[in-house]
Amino acid sequence: SQQGEEDPQALSIQEGENATMNCSYKTSINNLQWYRQNSGRGLVHLILIRSNEREKHSGRLRVTLDTSKKSSSLLITASRAADTASYFCATDAVYSGAGSYQLTFGKGTKLSVIP
Amino acid sequence: DGGITQSPKYLFRKEGQNVTLSCEQNLNHDAMYWYRQDPGQGLRLIYYSQIVNDFQKGDIAEGYSVSREKKESFPLTVTSAQKNPTAFYLCASSLRRTSGGSTGELFFGEGSRLTVL
Repeated sequence: SQQGEEDPQALSIQEGENATMNCSYKTSINNLQWYRQNSGRGLVHLILIRSNEREKHSGRLRVTLDTSKKSSSLLITASRAADTASYFCATDAVYSGAGSYQLTFGKGTKLSVIP
Repeated sequence: DGGITQSPKYLFRKEGQNVTLSCEQNLNHDAMYWYRQDPGQGLRLIYYSQIVNDFQKGDIAEGYSVSREKKESFPLTVTSAQKNPTAFYLCASSLRRTSGGSTGELFFGEGSRLTVL
């Protein structure tokens, strides 16, 4: 089952603009993570935000988490052509017993940054 | 360099054949995972292993099998029972999650693209 759902599915912006992607999820989580995937490559971890955190920064990335709304957003500021990639949120659900598995990924937002 | 190595990068299979995808890590991670990715889709979990000689089914385990005889290795076999195996397969590893704990960062390989002829 895919718990995280990203919005929008695709986003096209000009270089230098900010890009915002959203993620909604359904159940209680320990943490939420964002990953980046260049076309045809593996995923790369960007940032992890714990359930008791509301905002986190890493370079040009800003992530927010609203557990009451079960949603998160990823903001990339001053975008560059090299930011063109797909971005996925992944949720780490609260442990629910033997057999429960860990991170579940959404379908991703495909970001295109036009030079 | 520490990381995860998947091989082969591209693989072609004929109908009715089993194929095995290799995944090796030198990160000293206990947990390893196999995900499948279809075009325009997210990642779906096939199998995961928290420790040597133990593994659990994920969402879409039917038609797949795994083994975890060594900490460093988690091969995935796509059997002839998998009706639609053409996809991009991703292996990942992480520190082990304990009961009541949380899963940290996953480290991914570069993927293996399987095509059925």
